[in-house]
Amino acid sequence: EAEVAQSPRYKITEKSQAVAFWCDPISGHATLYWYRQILGQGPELLVQFQDESVVDDSQLPKDRFSAERLKGVDSTLKIQPAELGDSAMYLCASSLNWRGGQGQFFGPGTRLTVL
Amino acid sequence: KNEVEQSPQNLTAQEGEFITINCSYSVGISALHWLQQHPGGGIVSLFMLSSGKKKHGRLIATINIQEKHSSLHITASHPRDSAVYICAVNAGNKLTFGGGTRVLVKP
Repeated sequence: EAEVAQSPRYKITEKSQAVAFWCDPISGHATLYWYRQILGQGPELLVQFQDESVVDDSQLPKDRFSAERLKGVDSTLKIQPAELGDSAMYLCASSLNWRGGQGQFFGPGTRLTVL
Repeated sequence: KNEVEQSPQNLTAQEGEFITINCSYSVGISALHWLQQHPGGGIVSLFMLSSGKKKHGRLIATINIQEKHSSLHITASHPRDSAVYICAVNAGNKLTFGGGTRVLVKP
C-alpha cells in the first residue's frame, strides 16, 4: 500500500542549530502539506504545496522556517535557527489535489526535540 | 472559539465498553475526517464522510450536516483502541483540526 515517507523519525538538536526534515508523498499526489503538532494539540498547517508552488504559507514563521518542493514531488522543511518552542511533531501529508473533500494521507511524522 | 471542538478531551473506559466521541464545527464544510494517532506515531485516517453514517469493523462514524455535529463510536472497546482520536473538517481547501480526544481503554 502506498504511504507517505518522512525522515528522520526523531531529531534532537540544540537551539540555534539548523534542522531539516524530508517528506516523500504518495506517488501522483499533487498536494503536499506540512503540519506542526504541539503535544496535546491538533495539527496546525504550516505550508501547503500544489505541485511545486506554495498555495498557503500564512502560518509559516518565515523568519526561521523555509519549505521547498523543487520538482513537485518530495519536499524539505527547514528550521534555522531552531528555538526551544519548535519542539513538536512535524507531520507531512499528501492528497491527490487541493479540492475540498479529498482525503489526506499522513506520514509517520518527525518528532523534534530542541534542547 | 475554535472552529472545531471535540468532547471529551480525555476518556477512560473498561474493555468492552461502548465509547462515543463528539465533534462540533462552526464553518461550512465539504467533508469531515476522523483520524487516529497512537502515542508517538503518525496519523491514520479512519473515516472521511460528508453525510450519513459509515461503519468499519467496530468503528462507526455519523454526521449531521444541519447540526454541524459528528460522532465517532467504538463498540466493544479494546486496549488497542487506546489512542488520540482527532476530528478534522475540510473547509475550502484547508483541513482544520480539533484538539483531539485521548482515549484509554483499560483491560
